[in-house]
Amino acid sequence: AQSVAQPEDQVNVAEGNPLTVKCTYSVSGNPYLFWYVQYPNRGLQFLLKYITGDNLVKGSYGFEAEFNKSQTSFHLKKPSALVSDSALYFCAVRDMTGSARQLTFGSGTQLTVLP
Amino acid sequence: IAGITQAPTSQILAAGRRMTLRCTQDMRHNAMYWYRQDLGLGLRLIHYSNTAGTTGKGEVPDGYSVSRANTDDFPLTLASAVPSQTSVYFCASSPGQGSGNTIYFGEGSWLTVV
Repeated sequence: AQSVAQPEDQVNVAEGNPLTVKCTYSVSGNPYLFWYVQYPNRGLQFLLKYITGDNLVKGSYGFEAEFNKSQTSFHLKKPSALVSDSALYFCAVRDMTGSARQLTFGSGTQLTVLP
Repeated sequence: IAGITQAPTSQILAAGRRMTLRCTQDMRHNAMYWYRQDLGLGLRLIHYSNTAGTTGKGEVPDGYSVSRANTDDFPLTLASAVPSQTSVYFCASSPGQGSGNTIYFGEGSWLTVV
């Protein structure tokens, strides 16, 4: 079965510092990986995805993610965090093995950027 | 661009009652999904539809049903609500089932079953 793991429930970082939100995956076949952000009482917003090609993927709001096949990781990064980046972040893998072809999500990481 | 519209935004429902959560998308996406979000469990797929006229079961389908009469609408029905169905429900859609297709989410329906 396809799965992703987010090992940190909570990440705190000071404003202006770089941030990293970790994600590891387990898939059979090629990985199709996504990051979403959820602000309080809102739906999930798409940030970026890795399908193929360059290992460094750039997305919305200055976020980027690094795909590492040998470490089966897809960590989300931003060079300089903003207080407004505080939100819940989900890593997900698109499961291409079944008929649903749905996203399978990690449990989420709460990011808090401290002023 | 409206995207995905869900209704109601929130609802308190008595146990045993029937409830339909509505979902409409205006992007002409072929695939649609219903997820529920629960604290500590992330998002789990309830039902899906690959195209109008077809539906399938996800990870947690028991107690729920769906229909897909046309491309735009994908309602989720709780036939007889139970407290364990208290959750936040998200409708989502995707242009297709290709690996590169992004799945987009609605704003959610907060349901409390008492």
